[in-house]
Amino acid sequence: QSVLTQPPSVSAAPGQRVAISCSGNSSNIGAHYVSWYQQLPGTAPQLLIYDNTERPSGIPDRFSGSKSGTSATLGITGLQTGDEADYYCATWDNSLDGWLFGGGTKLTVL
Amino acid sequence: EVQLVESGGGLIQPGGSLRLSCAGSGFTFRSHDMQWVRQVTGKGLQWVATIGTAGDTYYPDSVRGRFTISRENSQNALYLQMTSLRVGDTAVYYCARTKYTLGAYYDYWGQGTPVTVSS
Repeated sequence: QSVLTQPPSVSAAPGQRVAISCSGNSSNIGAHYVSWYQQLPGTAPQLLIYDNTERPSGIPDRFSGSKSGTSATLGITGLQTGDEADYYCATWDNSLDGWLFGGGTKLTVL
Repeated sequence: EVQLVESGGGLIQPGGSLRLSCAGSGFTFRSHDMQWVRQVTGKGLQWVATIGTAGDTYYPDSVRGRFTISRENSQNALYLQMTSLRVGDTAVYYCARTKYTLGAYYDYWGQGTPVTVSS
């Protein structure tokens, strides 16, 4: 069981918006920046959001990140079928002295 | 273009050893911390090892003492020596580059190499 808690799945219709949460504690999210990764079926993970809110070049502004206290959220607007993927949050944990990933959230675009 | 290419995965018996390699190109390899991350089929991502630019290493308890991460900057190469392998180590192993801005994150990933530990 991951120390960073994500919902196992979320779903929404094309064009709609979803929010994926990532809950931690003061040793991880509360103390460090959060990054988010998208893993399309059968492919390697890809950086989606870094430094809580920043998008790498090439990532559309439909994707956004936020952080408040010990939780972070990934937002996706204007959902497309191509957004169907697994999404992971990640950050450093002071207690474990290592990296943590959330358990992952499977997005289904109905 | 930044590229990371893993190799060395395969089928190995429990208790055996295997060395994974990751070839980096398109960037100044020696200037970046590097990571190994694994993923059991159908499951989430798990951090396996980190090596800093100075050769400092970090591991989770699950692999500490069994796995060793190393790098050869002259060859732009990253390695993961795995010993005393267990069935639970079966996974796809990814290498990833670390980047630091305000925080740290994995900005490039390889395509992964599969490791199967089975008798």
